[in-house]
Amino acid sequence: NAGVMQNPRHLVRRRGQEARLRCSPMKGHSHVYWYRQLPEEGLKFMVYLQKENIIDESGMPKERFSAEFPKEGPSILRIQQVVRGDSAAYFCASSPDGPGDSPLHFGNGTRLTVT
Amino acid sequence: GENVEQHPSTLSVQEGDSAVIKCTYSDSASNYFPWYKQELGKRPQLIIDIRSNVGEKKDQRIAVTLNKTAKHFSLHITETQPEDSAVYFCAAGSTGAGKSTFGDGTTLTVKP
Repeated sequence: NAGVMQNPRHLVRRRGQEARLRCSPMKGHSHVYWYRQLPEEGLKFMVYLQKENIIDESGMPKERFSAEFPKEGPSILRIQQVVRGDSAAYFCASSPDGPGDSPLHFGNGTRLTVT
Repeated sequence: GENVEQHPSTLSVQEGDSAVIKCTYSDSASNYFPWYKQELGKRPQLIIDIRSNVGEKKDQRIAVTLNKTAKHFSLHITETQPEDSAVYFCAAGSTGAGKSTFGDGTTLTVKP
């Protein structure tokens, strides 16, 4: 089992550009989560998705950020018109069941740098 | 929503000593409590978890205790080794909840 795959590992964007982060969950996992981690800080929940549905997006900023998990293909976290404050590590995780029933399996993260 | 507080934020111990990290949670509906270890520059990985129907769970040098009445749970690492140095995160979730809520992390340093 290949584990949770995230790409790219590193992404550099200029202010105002768009960033697209991709996440393929572990085989058999239909629950996907995105977390943001600033340097030397904790993991902050952004969004929880199941196939084609957003279950909880309470941690995601209302503007510029969006997420999807289509029927086919990886989950995508999209950040439009990036600003320097968006620089962070973005971790995707997946689980076979909901978050109250099974642990999260994390990918290696995408480190976004906005210049 | 759920709020998880974790203490201490940093912990330094001598190799061979024990380390204890504590977390409190606010939502009495939470029934699943995992602990994750994150080494520098790497992804968080599950090290142990406990469900609300048990009070303690042990796996070699690592143990977790849960007090549902007081709404707190703790991670215990015995006979610490330098490779235990990492950031440890607790989390709380409940069946049907939209997310697991994480504590802010504890940076553990084990000095040889």
